[in-house]
Amino acid sequence: SQQGEEDPQALSIQEGENATMNCSYKTSINNLQWYRQNSGRGLVHLILIRSNEREKHSGRLRVTLDTSKKSSSLLITASRAADTASYFCATDAGGNKLVFGAGTILRVKS
Amino acid sequence: GAGVSQSPSNKVTEKGKDVELRCDPISGHTALYWYRQSLGQGLEFLIYFQGNSAPDKSGLPSDRFSAERTGGSVSTLTIQRTQQEDSAVYLCASSLGQRVNTGELFFGEGSRLTVL
Repeated sequence: SQQGEEDPQALSIQEGENATMNCSYKTSINNLQWYRQNSGRGLVHLILIRSNEREKHSGRLRVTLDTSKKSSSLLITASRAADTASYFCATDAGGNKLVFGAGTILRVKS
Repeated sequence: GAGVSQSPSNKVTEKGKDVELRCDPISGHTALYWYRQSLGQGLEFLIYFQGNSAPDKSGLPSDRFSAERTGGSVSTLTIQRTQQEDSAVYLCASSLGQRVNTGELFFGEGSRLTVL
């Protein structure tokens, strides 16, 4: 079964707006990662947040982690058409493998 | 190479035939993963190799699936007697793998398998 569940399943916004995607998981984790996948391509790593971190920034990306609620959010600020992609959270719950959620499909309209 | 390389990029086969998918990881990466992604779905873990350790095969869906990694580098995923439900994109990823926790994975572009 999937460890991470993203919400919403799909999101459509206008260029320049912010996009927020959420991820919930079930067990304790070592870290949580976010990946992006453009249509028909492989996944690209965006950001990793450790279990003892609460917030992390990378360019226009902001990730938060709430281990008490077993949830994370990914915020993309000032979105661009090029941000159109699927976004996945992945959790490292031990066992040396990442468990991925079903993803959020983001469409940024120009 | 510069990135993870997978071949073939597309494979169409008939039900019952065997297929082999190849993955060439980033040089120096000791960890190698195979995942499966069905249309519009997330990634399903299949198998994990770390150095010379016994692989974690816990995600392989049936005994028709097998994988090997030769010389700690190139990996081959073999699906015997393919079924239509095997149709999916098979993604390979590698990582440095020398940490206690799982770090960043580097993915290939995937091999799209269609079983007719």
